[in-house]
Amino acid sequence: GQNIDQPTEMTATEGAIVQINCTYQTSGFNGLFWYQQHAGEAPTFLSYNVLDGLEEKGRFSSFLSRSKGYSYLLLKELQMKDSASYLCAVRGGSGGYNKLIFGAGTRLAVHP
Amino acid sequence: DGGITQSPKYLFRKEGQNVTLSCEQNLNHDAMYWYRQDPGQGLRLIYYSQIVNDFQKGDIAEGYSVSREKKESFPLTVTSAQKNPTAFYLCASSNLGTGLSYEQYFGPGTRLTVT
Repeated sequence: GQNIDQPTEMTATEGAIVQINCTYQTSGFNGLFWYQQHAGEAPTFLSYNVLDGLEEKGRFSSFLSRSKGYSYLLLKELQMKDSASYLCAVRGGSGGYNKLIFGAGTRLAVHP
Repeated sequence: DGGITQSPKYLFRKEGQNVTLSCEQNLNHDAMYWYRQDPGQGLRLIYYSQIVNDFQKGDIAEGYSVSREKKESFPLTVTSAQKNPTAFYLCASSNLGTGLSYEQYFGPGTRLTVT
């Protein structure tokens, strides 16, 4: 089967750091994406990992361990506007087909 | 500006009626996708298309139909056979391949309510 697990909800304080974990079991692996989605809006791309290690992009970093089927998204210097859902998605399949398998998302609430 | 448009943003229908959701992209992407999102659940793939005049079923295709007559357009019809059609529908597009530039870009979504 194919399964992606993330915590349902998290809370954090403005200015702090938060780590959102994602574990996956999929039949194929061609990379892992993190998307941000504000309520009622479209998901927007945050990061992509295909090799093990840490990818840093400004206040956001994403880590991947393929052997453990594990990723995390790290958000630093939290701002109120970071309150959103964060979706972990694994790309599977082959032959150029870009199929994404999504987790249910983690709803992050940032408080003053 | 390049992007994906979906219309309308909100749609209301009576049970038993078919309804078509539009999706247009001007990103020159080969692949297009339709997802459904329900509260507390991840995005689930309904249909996808990699080339004009060709499309494949995703994980939850029952009660839905699509067409891909033009590269830019991928409309989704929610038929009366779909038992729980009320949901947030998202259209996406991408280039084909497995590199970073092949991330999916999403439209703003259509919230369909059937009563």
